[in-house]
Amino acid sequence: AQSVTQLDSQVPVFEEAPVELRCNYSSSVSVYLFWYVQYPNQGLQLLLKYLSGSTLVESINGFEAEFNKSQTSFHLRKPSVHISDTAEYFCAVSARSGGYNKLIFGAGTRLAVHP
Amino acid sequence: NAGVMQNPRHLVRRRGQEARLRCSPMKGHSHVYWYRQLPEEGLKFMVYLQKENIIDESGMPKERFSAEFPKEGPSILRIQQVVRGDSAAYFCASSPSPGSEDTQYFGPGTRLTVL
Repeated sequence: AQSVTQLDSQVPVFEEAPVELRCNYSSSVSVYLFWYVQYPNQGLQLLLKYLSGSTLVESINGFEAEFNKSQTSFHLRKPSVHISDTAEYFCAVSARSGGYNKLIFGAGTRLAVHP
Repeated sequence: NAGVMQNPRHLVRRRGQEARLRCSPMKGHSHVYWYRQLPEEGLKFMVYLQKENIIDESGMPKERFSAEFPKEGPSILRIQQVVRGDSAAYFCASSPSPGSEDTQYFGPGTRLTVL
């Protein structure tokens, strides 16, 4: 079985400041890792995912996440945030050998960017 | 290509009534997942369906909940005799193939309120 822990439920930050949203997972099997973003009253959108290869993955809007196998972490970072990044961010995993994509989500981190 | 469609977006039911939530996957997608998001929590997997087949319903409550994905038409999540604890946002996601590495595309959700 897998589980995901997002260590911060809320992260307030000023515009143009850097931010890190933390995610740790627990699994007895190898997993794929995902970050999804949810804007108010909308569904989830995939931000980025780690499948294999380079442990650093990037999104088109400046976010990046690094897979750390030894620490079982997949923290999300952005060097300079915008007001429009205000949203809820969910870390998720799926088992590589599961045969289908049953996502296990963390509880979410609410990022609030202030001017 | 339209995204995943869910309707209704908001649904209000009184205790004991039935709730029917509909999900139309993206064109060409034959794999549908349902998730439930309780207030202040992450999404929890409920059920995974392919056309005319329930593949994994391990996250579905044993009673009152059922799901289907017929050959024609949308996927339906049905909740009979709703109770206040069923109040939540219900999200549907679809993917073109079942691989655990594949991206799931989420709909905007149906927010169910039970009075």
